Amino acid sequence: AQTVTQSQPEMSVQEAETVTLSCTYDTSESDYYLFWYKQPPSRQMILVIRQEAYKQQNATENRFSVNFQKAAKSFSLKISDSQLGDAAMYFCAYTGSEKLVFGKGTKLTVNP
Amino acid sequence: NAGVTQTPKFQVLKTGQSMTLQCAQDMNHEYMSWYRQDPGMGLRLIHYSVGAGITDQGEVPNGYNVSRSTTEDFPLRLLSAAPSQTSVYFCASSPPPWAETNYGYTFGSGTRLTVV
Repeated sequence: AQTVTQSQPEMSVQEAETVTLSCTYDTSESDYYLFWYKQPPSRQMILVIRQEAYKQQNATENRFSVNFQKAAKSFSLKISDSQLGDAAMYFCAYTGSEKLVFGKGTKLTVNP
Repeated sequence: NAGVTQTPKFQVLKTGQSMTLQCAQDMNHEYMSWYRQDPGMGLRLIHYSVGAGITDQGEVPNGYNVSRSTTEDFPLRLLSAAPSQTSVYFCASSPPPWAETNYGYTFGSGTRLTVV
């Protein structure tokens, strides 16, 4: 079974600084997708960034980028120029096709 | 607005009562899923469906039933509520991965369920 591990239950960053959230996963599939979702206090799940495993180039979305290491099964999220609005729970997620599996999440605090 | 609609947003049940959490999507997505979110546990998959008439169990299916008679709707039934089912429930939908360039799951706003 596929599993997703987020080893950092909580992280903090100063406003305008950079922070990296870690995620590792376990799978025997060769083609799959990885995601980072943001959940602010409103509890809405917001897709931050996606990565297709067959693409070697790391995905970027404005201040958000990933470091995808397929051989190491690692998928970290880097947030640059952190803003107060980035404070939230961040979930790493994996899907091979039919099921989306989540890690337990990392709570990010942004300090002014 | 297109998206995933969950009702109700809040619910309090007594132990042993039954209820159905509703989920509807208007994006013609084939895949739909139900999750529960508990503190420190992330989102855990309860049941999922890859199309009308097809459902399967996820990680934590006990105490929950689902059916998928239409593409749009995927209700989650609690037959006899227990305090352990107190949680926040999310419904999500997506197309198959190969169907869209901007592939991803869309989530409803959640239902906070308390069983007393």
